[in-house]
Amino acid sequence: NAGVTQTPKFRVLKTGQSMTLLCAQDMNHEYMYWYRQDPGMGLRLIHYSVGEGTTAKGEVPDGYNVSRLKKQNFLLGLESAAPSQTSVYFCASSYPKDRGTEAFFGQGTRLTVV
Amino acid sequence: SQQGEEDPQALSIQEGENATMNCSYKTSINNLQWYRQNSGRGLVHLILIRSNEREKHSGRLRVTLDTSKKSSSLLITASRAADTASYFCATDAGGPSWSYGKLTFGQGTILTVHP
Repeated sequence: NAGVTQTPKFRVLKTGQSMTLLCAQDMNHEYMYWYRQDPGMGLRLIHYSVGEGTTAKGEVPDGYNVSRLKKQNFLLGLESAAPSQTSVYFCASSYPKDRGTEAFFGQGTRLTVV
Repeated sequence: SQQGEEDPQALSIQEGENATMNCSYKTSINNLQWYRQNSGRGLVHLILIRSNEREKHSGRLRVTLDTSKKSSSLLITASRAADTASYFCATDAGGPSWSYGKLTFGQGTILTVHP
């Protein structure tokens, strides 16, 4: 009963390096999301996907790219990491329902950019 | 920008007491949700209340929603030390007929329950 799994759990990057965060869900959910959480703040939406092969920008998309080649996976890429991208990243998924439904979250990836 | 403001930012109580957290938001919504986050962990869904509902219960949780005031409250009754966590409200603004589940979160309330 894995739910939403994120890899890696921790990562330290140097400024300018690139990396990809992987999110996998086993609940056959259509919708997937990437959020970031900074100290003292709630989560902010980076990008989201409403189905395989589709992605869209959220509130804070700059500096990130995403891909959803398979329904169960949602990848978040940082092409050239910056210290401002130091954060905890959460992936979530949900299913289509009129007037919305709950989201299921992964355990997070703590990223430090030095 | 944050959709919601949560109040208080921090709350410290004794076991057995009730804890009340408030959330205000700015735009019309499809639903409002409350999540719990233990330190260093992911968010866990607690309860969802739709825009046409005024009150909802789940175990020791009671949520109210006042769409005219754009506000919600979460009441945890008979608190336990294990309830110590951060609590976030999240709004799903969606559109008039469908929601893609995009959530806008408040800053959260840190609840500490002392044994």
